[in-house]
Amino acid sequence: EPEVTQTPSHQVTQMGQEVILRCVPISNHLYFYWYRQILGQKVEFLVSFYNNEISEKSEIFDDQFSVERPDGSNFTLKIRSTKLEDSAMYFCASNFQTGRETQYFGPGTRLLVL
Amino acid sequence: AQKVTQAQTEISVVEKEDVTLDCVYETRDTTYYLFWYKQPPSGELVFLIRRNSFDEQNEISGRYSWNFQKSTSSFNFTITASQVVDSAVYFCALLQGGGFKTIFGAGTRLFVKA
Repeated sequence: EPEVTQTPSHQVTQMGQEVILRCVPISNHLYFYWYRQILGQKVEFLVSFYNNEISEKSEIFDDQFSVERPDGSNFTLKIRSTKLEDSAMYFCASNFQTGRETQYFGPGTRLLVL
Repeated sequence: AQKVTQAQTEISVVEKEDVTLDCVYETRDTTYYLFWYKQPPSGELVFLIRRNSFDEQNEISGRYSWNFQKSTSSFNFTITASQVVDSAVYFCALLQGGGFKTIFGAGTRLFVKA
C-alpha cells in the first residue's frame, strides 16, 4: 500500500540554523500538508499546498517557514532560523482531493533545537 | 469556529475491560468529516476511521466501534476487550467540507494494564 515517507526521522540542530524537512507524498496525490506536534500536545495545522502554491496557512506558519515542491516527488518544509520552540514532531500529509478525503500522514520527523 | 474537545486527558483500564473515548466537536458547516487517529509511543499517526456528516450509521471494526450522533455533536470511540497493545494516544479530528486543515482534539492517553 502506498505510504507517505519522511526524512530524516530525527534531526538535532542548533538554534539559529536552517533545517529542511523532506517528504515524499503518495505519488498520485495533489494536495500536500505540514502539521506540527509539540511534545505532549495536539497536532496543529501549518500549511497546505496545491499546484505549487500555498492554499492555506496557519498563524504558526510565519516568515521563518517556507514550503516547496522542488521536483515531481518531494515536498519540503524549511525553517530558516530555528528557535527552541520549533522543537516538535513535524508530520507531512497528502491526499488526492482536499476537503473530503482522508489526509494520509507520514511517520513524522522529530526535530530538536538546542 | 471549529473545535474538537476530548475531555478525557488520560484513561487507565485493566486488560479486557471495555473503554469509551469521548469526542465532542463544534462546526457551523453542514458538510464535514470526522476522524480518529491512534498515536502509539513510536509517534506516528495511524488512521482508524473517517465519517462524513451525512452518515450517522455506527461502525464496528473488530474490537473497535464508533458512535456518531449529530444531535449531541459527538463521535465517541469504544474499544471492547482492551489489550495492552491498545495503549496509545487517541486523537479525534474534524475536517470542514472543502477545507484544507484537519483540526485535532487534544488527545486522550489510554493506558491498558495487563
